[in-house]
Amino acid sequence: DVKVTQSSRYLVKRTGEKVFLECVQDMDHENMFWYRQDQGLGLRLIYFSYDVKMKEKGDIPEGYSVSREKKERFSLILESASTNQTSMYLCATRGGIYGYTFGSGTRLTVV
Amino acid sequence: TQLLEQSPQFLSIQEGENLTVYCNSSSVFSSLQWYRQEPGEGPVLLVTVVTGGEVKKLKRLTFQFGDARKDSSLHITAAQPGDTGLYLCAGADNYGQNFVFGPGTRLSVLP
Repeated sequence: DVKVTQSSRYLVKRTGEKVFLECVQDMDHENMFWYRQDQGLGLRLIYFSYDVKMKEKGDIPEGYSVSREKKERFSLILESASTNQTSMYLCATRGGIYGYTFGSGTRLTVV
Repeated sequence: TQLLEQSPQFLSIQEGENLTVYCNSSSVFSSLQWYRQEPGEGPVLLVTVVTGGEVKKLKRLTFQFGDARKDSSLHITAAQPGDTGLYLCAGADNYGQNFVFGPGTRLSVLP
């Protein structure tokens, strides 16, 4: 089975901190994604990557950046965390046209 | 921009009842997926439907893709507490590369 592992289940950070969310997949998929999930708004795409060193903005990239130095690892960076970035963050991989495999999520609280 | 609506937003039923949840759009999708997300976890793919009018069964779950490929339904027979979760639909564009998620239906099955 494809496994997508997110480094932290819960994080509490202070406003203005730089935050790194790490995601690792073990299935050699090219496509990796970062979503945030908020009540009533569903899943919103932040950034995605189709290959190493490659990144594309999703629907809500403001305040975020990403890094993909290796195929299996896709990191989401909050340069200066703000309270409106409190959310559930989900990393996912997708093999071609098939469905997504999601990690368990990181619930980030910015205080 | 393709948008997906899901109804109802919330549903609470007793164990053993039947239910149907809906996923609707004004756009045509090349395929549509259903996911279930349990509390504190990432969404898990249940099924992918690709042909207009297609019906797929997964034990007590029946999925249907509309003839025009703009809508889908999920029917659960004899619901069990283990069916509790957030049900998400996701539609793919004509190239099968870009997916959009609906906001979800939150189902609670009471014992």
